[in-house]
Amino acid sequence: EPEVTQTPSHQVTQMGQEVILRCVPISNHLYFYWYRQILGQKVEFLVSFYNNEISEKSEIFDDQFSVERPDGSNFTLKIRSTKLEDSAMYFCASGYSPGPRDFGPGTRLTVT
Amino acid sequence: QQPVQSPQAVILREGEDAVINCSSSKALYSVHWYRQKHGEAPVFLMILLKGGEQKGHEKISASFNEKKQQSSLYLTASQLSYSGTYFCGTEIAGNQFYFGTGTSLTVIP
Repeated sequence: EPEVTQTPSHQVTQMGQEVILRCVPISNHLYFYWYRQILGQKVEFLVSFYNNEISEKSEIFDDQFSVERPDGSNFTLKIRSTKLEDSAMYFCASGYSPGPRDFGPGTRLTVT
Repeated sequence: QQPVQSPQAVILREGEDAVINCSSSKALYSVHWYRQKHGEAPVFLMILLKGGEQKGHEKISASFNEKKQQSSLYLTASQLSYSGTYFCGTEIAGNQFYFGTGTSLTVIP
């Protein structure tokens, strides 16, 4: 059964550095999402992407965040200048209709 | 616009039943249900579309009352493996989608 994959599984970076989190959604899905979960807290919506553009973004998704679907298979989340409070688990998800259907295993981002 | 779930938390003994409710202030196109275990990604359980249908997944089923803008998740004969946080997700007009507030469910022996 197809799965959403994410790389890396764990990323450690220094404050102020740029990171790119990568996701390969399920191939026939049309809707793509990034969520984050700070340790011990609930899953928070970051951004949704449909038809090659952002369809919705949360207050968290400020100018330091960006998303791309560069080649029709990968879906990336870039954080330009990481802060300590960006430390979290980042989940990518995709679906063939609105709403995430399948989640990736997550990337744990640690900012030191 | 975030749907509200009730209860916020519930503790069950193995074999007991539970109902988790999800209520929206907006007209709903569909409702999704997910379960997340500690330290893992959320897992999709089922989707309910407009039409008031009820769906089942193992011993977990759900209903969708379109007029009341509510959905309920039914867990019967609970097992230890059912423990986790359950989220509803609601699709509203404009392809917008919102997770519910979450319900923590703990099943004890």
